[in-house]
Amino acid sequence: AQKVTQAQTEISVVEKEDVTLDCVYETRDTTYYLFWYKQPPSGELVFLIRRNSFDEQNEISGRYSWNFQKSTSSFNFTITASQVVDSAVYFCALYLNSGGSNYKLTFGKGTLLTVNP
Amino acid sequence: DTEVTQTPKHLVMGMTNKKSLKCEQHMGHRAMYWYKQKAKKPPELMFVYSYEKLSINESVPSRFSPECPNSSLLNLHLHALQPEDSALYLCASSGVGGSGYTFGSGTRLTVV
Repeated sequence: AQKVTQAQTEISVVEKEDVTLDCVYETRDTTYYLFWYKQPPSGELVFLIRRNSFDEQNEISGRYSWNFQKSTSSFNFTITASQVVDSAVYFCALYLNSGGSNYKLTFGKGTLLTVNP
Repeated sequence: DTEVTQTPKHLVMGMTNKKSLKCEQHMGHRAMYWYKQKAKKPPELMFVYSYEKLSINESVPSRFSPECPNSSLLNLHLHALQPEDSALYLCASSGVGGSGYTFGSGTRLTVV
């Protein structure tokens, strides 16, 4: 069975600090995709990144970076020089085949990040 | 067009009412999804449509009835809901391999 664990329920930092959100996943499949989404108080889920299981290259997008390590089944997300606008709930999710031609996106429980001025 | 549009944004309904939530995408995605999200919880998958056919029903009560009239539209018909069904209902669509997995902004439903 597939599972996504975000051990950090809440994180609070001061603006300009760097912060890393942890994500550990479980699956027996060799082909899968990992996602990160941001959910601000308005409620919309904002797509941040999608990474397939065969691509272990780390990625950087502005102040955001992602570290994918298959050896430890982790896909961690780092925000550099955090800003108040980064305050939101962040979800890590695992997308894989659930049988036949069906695919499912399984979410972790989310991490609430609060960036204080 | 890279959006998933959901209407209405807010809905208050009585337990005897019948209402429908609507979702539309024009990205050519052939998979569409309904999720339910309670406060401080992750989204929970309800239904998956693949090529306009229901492919996954996560044991959702029959008071929720999905419909996919065509490849761009997804509806969720609501009837005889309970107060505990109050939640944010999210629609999403995706391409092959979860490419472009995009969520709408959701309908915040309150059942009174």
